[in-house]
Amino acid sequence: GQQLNQSPQSMFIQEGEDVSMNCTSSSIFNTWLWYKQDPGEGPVLLIALYKAGELTSNGRLTAQFGITRKDSFLNISASIPSDVGIYFCAGIANFGNEKLTFGTGTRLTIIP
Amino acid sequence: EPEVTQTPSHQVTQMGQEVILRCVPISNHLYFYWYRQILGQKVEFLVSFYNNEISEKSEIFDDQFSVERPDGSNFTLKIRSTKLEDSAMYFCASRRGYEQYFGPGTRLTVT
Repeated sequence: GQQLNQSPQSMFIQEGEDVSMNCTSSSIFNTWLWYKQDPGEGPVLLIALYKAGELTSNGRLTAQFGITRKDSFLNISASIPSDVGIYFCAGIANFGNEKLTFGTGTRLTIIP
Repeated sequence: EPEVTQTPSHQVTQMGQEVILRCVPISNHLYFYWYRQILGQKVEFLVSFYNNEISEKSEIFDDQFSVERPDGSNFTLKIRSTKLEDSAMYFCASRRGYEQYFGPGTRLTVT
């Protein structure tokens, strides 16, 4: 089946630093979504991307839909303590059903 | 802001018992989903539901699983005879466009 690999698996950063993470696949996706998950809670939608090459921002978050449609990137600028959590990319391969294929996740920890 | 709700938040059951997990999707959404997340792993698709029928299901969604929209607001996932490996977080999601919104999840523990 389709797989989405995220890197890095985990990140340890200081408050105020910028963060970059990415998501890659061997197959094409038509829509990319980025979610954040806090412990014991459901994924919360951060950003949605619909077109290859698209760059979209949501506050301090910026995400890009790769030109090849096989990857996506998420950047967080000036990190704050509430950014701690697990970030998942998710892709939609086929229109009509729109089931999500989730990535393996990037765990973000902020060092005090 | 409308949100997806799920009950119960935690369900403990014995192996072989039936469980029903309940969800109330966002009211004007038309597509509904169940996903599962085993502790420490990624979220996995189980089933999608549209127009009162299953539109797609994964290999995980075997004959022990069923879904139902019994009325205009609820969406349920039933596991007929639970196994130890069914222990996981179960998330309901709904969408109208391409953006799926998730509920807070039900933690199912099978003992």
